[in-house]
Parts: sequence; structure tokens; C-alpha cells
Amino acid sequence: DTEVTQTPKHLVMGMTNKKSLKCEQHMGHRAMYWYKQKAKKPPELMFVYSYEKLSINESVPSRFSPECPNSSLLNLHLHALQPEDSALYLCASGTSGDYEQYFGPGTRLTVT
Amino acid sequence: DQQVKQNSPSLSVQEGRISILNCDYTNSMFDYFLWYKKYPAEGPTFLISISSIKDKNEDGRFTVFLNKSAKHLSLHIVPSQPGDSAVYFCAASGGYNTDKLIFGTGTRLQVFP
Repeated sequence: DTEVTQTPKHLVMGMTNKKSLKCEQHMGHRAMYWYKQKAKKPPELMFVYSYEKLSINESVPSRFSPECPNSSLLNLHLHALQPEDSALYLCASGTSGDYEQYFGPGTRLTVT
Repeated sequence: DQQVKQNSPSLSVQEGRISILNCDYTNSMFDYFLWYKKYPAEGPTFLISISSIKDKNEDGRFTVFLNKSAKHLSLHIVPSQPGDSAVYFCAASGGYNTDKLIFGTGTRLQVFP
């Protein structure tokens, strides 16, 4: 299995809602990543988990809360988001210490 | 401060010809470089990579060239096919943290018949 899957594909939420994005991989990768991509911009790293521990937080606001329940799963919990948080949220996985990262299809998030 | 730059936002090439996509970087600590292809509504797909100890890496129709002294890399696609039409991102990593990729701004390639 060489896929990274993400659910949901699309999400519309209000500024007072709480929602979660989910990511799963079965490639045995021990590093997992969350990226945010705005239109016509490159992906920007948000968080890195290595061996299920948070290793990088790129100064992301606390309204984004990552969680890595096990080596195959990665969640991103969302609460009290702002309209400017609307973006494509990408999950990736890779072998920690190697450079290649493999991306899921993303969740298109709209905050109203 | 954009450490990885792709100065051409778009490129149009005829099918069968060579496509050359360029990327410049500023951080001399980068020691590994990657190219990704992205279709609309999909995540980036890894294409090819190169370590700073090499100056060329080839995989089928795709070749990446690295010029460390100029801090420049390029992706050559030969021959170009309509299915290659996508946005191409270069990315760089290195230094203390190999988990962190810095992406360029992307080049939209269109291959026409």
C-alpha cells in the first residue's frame, strides 16, 4: 500500500465549530506531516511527528491541534478557526531521516 | 524570505519537445533537493530527487541537474507529454533537520499537442 489517505475531502465549518481532519498511511513510515497550502502558493509546513512524537511545530496558532494516536494515523483538530484559515490541508508521510515525503490528496477546508 | 525560488510561474511547451523547469535557492545548508508534480485537487506527487554530492540524477524522462556553485537546479522532461501538464514544485532540505522541506513557489507547465 503506497497511499496516504485523508478524510474528509472537503469541509465547511463555522468559526465556532470544532472539527477534525484525519490522515492514514500504511507504508510503515515513522514521520508524518501536516502542511497548509493557500491558492497559488507552495505548501507550508505546520507540524512534524517523528516516531509518534511532535518534533516540529512551525509556530502554528493553538486553534490547530495535532495528534498522532499511532504510527499510522495523524489527526488535526480544529477549533475557533478564522476565515483566513481556509486552505488545502495536506498530510504527508516519510521515513524519518530520509528526505522524500509522500502526500495525501488533501482536505479542502472552508471557514465561514 | 523565500529560500527556494522558481522565477517562472508558467511554461508552455509543445508535445515531444524538452521542458526545462528552473529553481534557485539561497541557503547553502541545503543538501538535498526534490521535485514534486501537482495536479489540481490532488496532493503533490514525488518525482525525482538529488543529493548535493551529485550534479545529475536521471529517471526515465526526468533528469535533475544541480549546480551548487550557482545554487541552481533544473528539471528536464524529455520528451514532454500532455499528461505532464501540472504545477511543478522544487523543494529543498538539509542542515539540522532533514524532516523539513522548503518548497518553491511552483511553475505551471502546459504541454500542448
